[in-house]
Amino acid sequence: QVQLQESGPGLVKPSETLSLTCAVSGYSISSGYYWGWIRQPPGKGLEWIGSIYHSGGTYCSPSLKSRVTISVDTSKNQFSLKLSSVTAADTALYYCARHAAVTTCFEYWGQGTPVTVSS
Amino acid sequence: EIVLTQSPGTLSLSPGERATLSCRATQSVSSSYLAWYQQKPGQAPRLLIYGASSRATGIPDRFSGSGSGTDFTLTISRLEPEDFAVYYCQQYGSSTWTFGQGTKVEIK
Repeated sequence: QVQLQESGPGLVKPSETLSLTCAVSGYSISSGYYWGWIRQPPGKGLEWIGSIYHSGGTYCSPSLKSRVTISVDTSKNQFSLKLSSVTAADTALYYCARHAAVTTCFEYWGQGTPVTVSS
Repeated sequence: EIVLTQSPGTLSLSPGERATLSCRATQSVSSSYLAWYQQKPGQAPRLLIYGASSRATGIPDRFSGSGSGTDFTLTISRLEPEDFAVYYCQQYGSSTWTFGQGTKVEIK
């Protein structure tokens, strides 16, 4: 059973960099699949942030691309998100997820971690 | 970037009724890459339908998906109390993934 668990600071100051990690259990990241980040502002819908392949290739949302870095650490079986120059608009619940193999939908999700941007 | 528009925004129905949710895309979407999710308060989204019409593991057969091109539909044949939730469609194309804004199915 694939399980994902997000972790990171719950409070980030404006203009600083948000850093989150997603720990994966029940599956080895190095074996394949895309791994993604999705966020959900309070009371709003889902927004895809970016995704990374097990070997390191990444795709990012055009609207966030300039501020997003996604990386993978196969030795720790985890992947990470960095979002720079954050503002209050980046306050959200951040989810990590694993894509399905062929259809690329988000098959497995973490429980989400809340991040508030405030001074 | 393909934009998905879901309608209606809110659907007020009674248990036992049929729910029909719409997802319209600004450009044609491959059916292979159209999915639907259910989200309940305080929970992560759950994959319901992938490939436009295939149910994910453990999803009851009262949930069905259909459509092609730019118009897709999620149908819940008879609403159970646990089906009242928010539903999102999602597509993949041109190396980006996008979600619709969601449809809330609420108890009438």
